Parts: sequence; structure tokens; C-alpha cells
Amino acid sequence: DGGITQSPKYLFRKEGQNVTLSCEQNLNHDAMYWYRQDPGQGLRLIYYSQIVNDFQKGDIAEGYSVSREKKESFPLTVTSAQKNPTAFYLCASSPSDGYNEQFFGPGTRLTVL
Amino acid sequence: KNQVEQSPQSLIILEGKNCTLQCNYTVSPFSNLRWYKQDTGRGPVSLTIMTFSENTKSNGRYTATLDADTKQSSLHITASQLSDSASYICVVSANNAGNMLTFGGGTRLMVKP
Repeated sequence: DGGITQSPKYLFRKEGQNVTLSCEQNLNHDAMYWYRQDPGQGLRLIYYSQIVNDFQKGDIAEGYSVSREKKESFPLTVTSAQKNPTAFYLCASSPSDGYNEQFFGPGTRLTVL
Repeated sequence: KNQVEQSPQSLIILEGKNCTLQCNYTVSPFSNLRWYKQDTGRGPVSLTIMTFSENTKSNGRYTATLDADTKQSSLHITASQLSDSASYICVVSANNAGNMLTFGGGTRLMVKP
């Protein structure tokens, strides 16, 4: 998992609540990413950030929001507008917006009750 | 549309046996192909990365091959161990996509004693 941490490992949410997933990295990487993983499917990109105070929507951004106020941190908020939020969420970082390897965190499993 | 298809979806082998996982992609223009290992409930960890000019790359008991003409890759695992039980994910990057990746759905490998 390198120097990327995600918390909490497990998260339970009631319908209608917003929740925030934490992602921190101490690798001095410029770029950070959020993915969603569902059983039997490939990872899908939610949001990514190439530099502090800037971020871009990925393929499935609806119902999610992010911020990038610090280089080390890229929190993801799952809002009540996300219709099917139960999934495994992975955060990743890479040295720059080039063709460098992405290093993944350990993931957060979100379950909506 | 860029796509990565993996086969088989799941595989069960006996400890000590070899196996080969397949990956076909339609990502264009091709930049590089990576194989990741993902233990259950954990983030993916990189095994190998290959660029257009590389045909094969090894990492211990893992050997990846790439045929850029047919757009196919394989991951061969030799003398399997119980700890090899995991999902193996093929990931392809396009030259015009920065560090954006296209993920396969993965092959779930179970090694039995």
C-alpha cells in the first residue's frame, strides 16, 4: 500500500446521509485519483486531481464531490445524490500527470443500510 | 471506446501448478500495459509494467508477455503458492490520455492445497 492511507476501512451509512472518505499520501505525489470497484467490474474513475486546488471529473462523478486543499490529502464525499453508493472505494496517487505508475491505498468499503 | 477484457473470470488450481491469465485490449494509441495483484479487501499492487517495445517481463514467479500486434497480454504464474490467491487485474494506458488508465475486470485466482 506504500505511503497512501485511507480511512475508515469500513463505513456504514444510512440512506440520505453524506459521508466523507479520507485519503492521505506522504509520497509527495502531484496527482491523486478516486476509483470505485464493484464485484466483477473494472475500476471506474470518479475524480482525479493533478495539482493542488484543481480537480477533474472522471467517468462516474455524479453524486460525488472532492477537494484538494493540500497536496497530501484528497477526500471524497459520497452525497445522498449517489443512487447506489455501496462499493469498495480506492484512492491512488502518482508522481505526476505522465505515464507513471499509480500507487493504491488499502481501500474503504462503504455500505448503505 | 477503450476496453480491456480478461479471461477467465475465475480459476482454481492446485498448489504447485502453473497457470496463465489472458488480457485482450482495444486501447489506442497504446502506451503501456500493467498487471496488478489485488488481495481481497486490499488495494492493487503492481506486478509488471510493459511498454510497446517489450515482449516479456518477469517478477519472480510472475512472467508477463505482450503482443502489441494482436493486442494481447498474458500473465504466467509458475509453481503457484497459496499466497497467490487473489485477483489479477490487467490495466492499459493510452498515449493520449495522460495517466488515465483502462482497467480489466480481473481474474479471480484461487490456489488450493
